[in-house]
Amino acid sequence: AQTVTQSQPEMSVQEAETVTLSCTYDTSESDYYLFWYKQPPSRQMILVIRQEAYKQQNATENRFSVNFQKAAKSFSLKISDSQLGDAAMYFCAYRSVYSGTYKYIFGTGTRLKVLA
Amino acid sequence: EPEVTQTPSHQVTQMGQEVILRCVPISNHLYFYWYRQILGQKVEFLVSFYNNEISEKSEIFDDQFSVERPDGSNFTLKIRSTKLEDSAMYFCASSEGVTVNTEAFFGQGTRLTVV
Repeated sequence: AQTVTQSQPEMSVQEAETVTLSCTYDTSESDYYLFWYKQPPSRQMILVIRQEAYKQQNATENRFSVNFQKAAKSFSLKISDSQLGDAAMYFCAYRSVYSGTYKYIFGTGTRLKVLA
Repeated sequence: EPEVTQTPSHQVTQMGQEVILRCVPISNHLYFYWYRQILGQKVEFLVSFYNNEISEKSEIFDDQFSVERPDGSNFTLKIRSTKLEDSAMYFCASSEGVTVNTEAFFGQGTRLTVV
C-alpha cells in the first residue's frame, strides 16, 4: 500500500522569502501522480500543482515549483516570494494510475505561517 | 467559479446519535468522494461514488456509514450510531471525470464532534 509522509507539521516563512515544504512517499508502482493542495483557513482545499511520475521535468506554477526526486521518493514544494495569502495548510497527495477510482492518498499536512 | 459546498461547517452530536453530512458537488461532475481527517492524522479516503453506486470504499467505511445522492444535487454521508472516534473533519470532493490527472475539487469540510 502507498503512504505519504509530511514530516513538518508547521513551517514559518518571512514575507517575500522562499520556503520548501517536504513530502516523501512510498510506493512500488512505477507510474503515478503527485499533487500539492492548499487549504486556507475555513476554505476549500485547492490544487496548487501536480506532477506525473514519468515526467522528469519538475512542474512549476508561477511562484510554486516542485523538486521531484523519483528515486528518493521525494516531492517537495517550493514557494518563492511568499505572500500573506500563502498562509494555509498544505497537503501532499499521491494518486495511483492503477486505481479505478483514482482516490488520493494524503499526508498529514503542513501548516504554513507567513510572517509580515 | 463553481465550488463544492458542505453543510454544516461544524456539527456536534451525542454519542450514539445519527448524523448526516451534506455536500453539494459541482453540477457537471460525475464522481464523488468522502474523506476524513482525525485531528493530527492523515486525510483518509472513505468512499467514492459514481453512477448512483459506491465504486470503492476503504476499510474505515463499514456498515456504520452510508452515502446517498438523493436528489441529483446533494451527496450525503450518513453515520449511524456515532462513536467518539468518529470525531474528525469530513471532506467531500467531486471530479468531472476519472482520469488519473483529473483534479478533484474539495469542499471546506464539516467538523464533526461526538461528545
